Amino acid sequence: GEDVEQSLFLSVREGDSSVINCTYTDSSSTYLYWYKQEPGAGLQLLTYIFSNMDMKQDQRLTVLLNKKDKHLSLRIADTQTGDSAIYFCAERVRGSYIPTFGRGTSLIVHP
Amino acid sequence: GAGVSQSPSNKVTEKGKDVELRCDPISGHTALYWYRQSLGQGLEFLIYFQGNSAPDKSGLPSDRFSAERTGGSVSTLTIQRTQQEDSAVYLCASTSGAVLDNEQFFGPGTRLTVL
Repeated sequence: GEDVEQSLFLSVREGDSSVINCTYTDSSSTYLYWYKQEPGAGLQLLTYIFSNMDMKQDQRLTVLLNKKDKHLSLRIADTQTGDSAIYFCAERVRGSYIPTFGRGTSLIVHP
Repeated sequence: GAGVSQSPSNKVTEKGKDVELRCDPISGHTALYWYRQSLGQGLEFLIYFQGNSAPDKSGLPSDRFSAERTGGSVSTLTIQRTQQEDSAVYLCASTSGAVLDNEQFFGPGTRLTVL
């Protein structure tokens, strides 16, 4: 099965908060990432969190990590139409240089 | 250049033909990755280069796929005898190669269509 799982779609109204969820299976994950992919472009790193952290906040973005449940979430406050994109969760385990990506969650922001 | 570049941006080929996809990483980046992104799928790791070390080819799906990196910079991904299931976006990424470097810089990808 997949090592990293995400729901495929999320639709929100402009101005609301978006919460994108991700689960992973490898308990030795050291780094967990959120990448954003806009249409026709490559992925861009939004934020990452070390496995010894529970939360990280960066402007409108809040990352929460529940190590017990192996659950990672990305909250986007005051979601804007420009936030419409595919968001990928990824994990990298200790000793590996190769992250494992989820399938991506398509975030659709409507007025 | 300022970022990772890939060429061509789009490639349409006939089944059975060979194709070459090019990646120019960020100058000075020693690590380079190739991924494949199929419709509705996540990023599938293909191959990883780090400096002069032997590449990690564990993600290559078949022996029709190969990649090389010349002079520690530009990389070429070659797909021989293309099949329709090879149709996908091929993404290249580079990092500085340092163990604590967490950011992969991605190129815009090459969209390959096999007819």
